[in-house]
Amino acid sequence: DAGVTQSPTHLIKTRGQQVTLRCSPKSGHDTVSWYQQALGQGPQFIFQYYEEEERQRGNFPDRFSGHQFPNYSSELNVNALLLGDSALYLCASSPRQGGWGETQYFGPGTRLLVL
Amino acid sequence: DQQVKQNSPSLSVQEGRISILNCDYTNSMFDYFLWYKKYPAEGPTFLISISSIKDKNEDGRFTVFLNKSAKHLSLHIVPSQPGDSAVYFCAASVNNNDMRFGAGTRLTVKP
Repeated sequence: DAGVTQSPTHLIKTRGQQVTLRCSPKSGHDTVSWYQQALGQGPQFIFQYYEEEERQRGNFPDRFSGHQFPNYSSELNVNALLLGDSALYLCASSPRQGGWGETQYFGPGTRLLVL
Repeated sequence: DQQVKQNSPSLSVQEGRISILNCDYTNSMFDYFLWYKKYPAEGPTFLISISSIKDKNEDGRFTVFLNKSAKHLSLHIVPSQPGDSAVYFCAASVNNNDMRFGAGTRLTVKP
């Protein structure tokens, strides 16, 4: 089992551009959550998807959007990139049954740098 | 808004001694608290949790204590081992929604 995989591992963009990050969940997991971790900070919850719909959302603007596919994989899209969007973006998958916090597995993240 | 705070960015402990990592929160609605451990170049992994109806939860060398009146929780690791060296995040949620993380504490256990 490959666990949670994310691509790409690193990415450099310029202000105003758009970016798409990808996540494949752990086998048997159907729920995907996305987090933003700025340097020196803890992860901040962006949103959570299951059954191909956004179910929960943290305090992030509409520039952050996502999608979940029938195979449970997910994408995070960020439009009109700002310098402050530079961060490590973590994807976590979990099964619908059981406590979210205890059962979520994190991927290694995608490091985004906005210049 | 920093609803979950870890005020110590780093902690250094001798192998075999106790490590105590602290976490404070401001939202009295939080009803579930968790600790995660993170090694370099890896995502965080779940370590231990506690519900707001309890004041202590123990799992092997790891114990989490919750003081609701003080809005404070702590993670005790006894005895500490070099393999425990990592960044530890505390996290909290309300009814399993919108999980909030602290900034993390880097623990170094010296042999």
